[in-house]
Amino acid sequence: KAGVTQTPRYLIKTRGQQVTLSCSPISGHRSVSWYQQTPGQGLQFLFEYFSETQRNKGNFPGRFSGRQFSNSRSEMNVSTLELGDSALYLCASSWTSGDYSYEQYFGPGTRLTVT
Amino acid sequence: AQSVTQLGSHVSVSEGALVLLRCNYSSSVPPYLFWYVQYPNQGLQLLLKYTSAATLVKGINGFEAEFKKSETSFHLTKPSAHMSDAAEYFCAVLTGTASKLTFGTGTRLQVTL
Repeated sequence: KAGVTQTPRYLIKTRGQQVTLSCSPISGHRSVSWYQQTPGQGLQFLFEYFSETQRNKGNFPGRFSGRQFSNSRSEMNVSTLELGDSALYLCASSWTSGDYSYEQYFGPGTRLTVT
Repeated sequence: AQSVTQLGSHVSVSEGALVLLRCNYSSSVPPYLFWYVQYPNQGLQLLLKYTSAATLVKGINGFEAEFKKSETSFHLTKPSAHMSDAAEYFCAVLTGTASKLTFGTGTRLQVTL
């Protein structure tokens, strides 16, 4: 079974631009979560999507948004990029039964550099 | 709020020595706990999970962890370190029914000859 895939793997953007990152979950997984990893703040939860609906949200500004498609693939968007948005963005998928989501499997991440 | 604390941001062991990475949790309800490993320039790989079925959990690559409620701990161990174990290790707790993992600050494991 294929793992979680993320595209692109590396991205360089300029301040003020916007960016869209893509995530394809493991087949059968309907929950997709996004995390930001930085040296200073560590791993932080951005949001989670399930059945095309945002189910949970972390403490990030509205510039960070996401969506999920009917095939469970997910995208996250960051508008008006700031230098501090430079990070590794990780996507994770999990199998869900009712309200309970099981262990999360992570993709390789997208390394975003904002200059 | 549920949280985890990892003691020691860097741990160095000799090849063949015991690996012990510490994690303490804070939770008002029985937690779901996980250990993940991250190799350079890669995502997180699940090592093992605790979901209340058994207190001693065996994972991949020879790692195991023991859930001790009295000590609120979930330390990761491996009897004999290998050079390929050098990586960063994260302890995490699942927040309730939400798919939100709260991670510790990570422990970088160095394995020397």
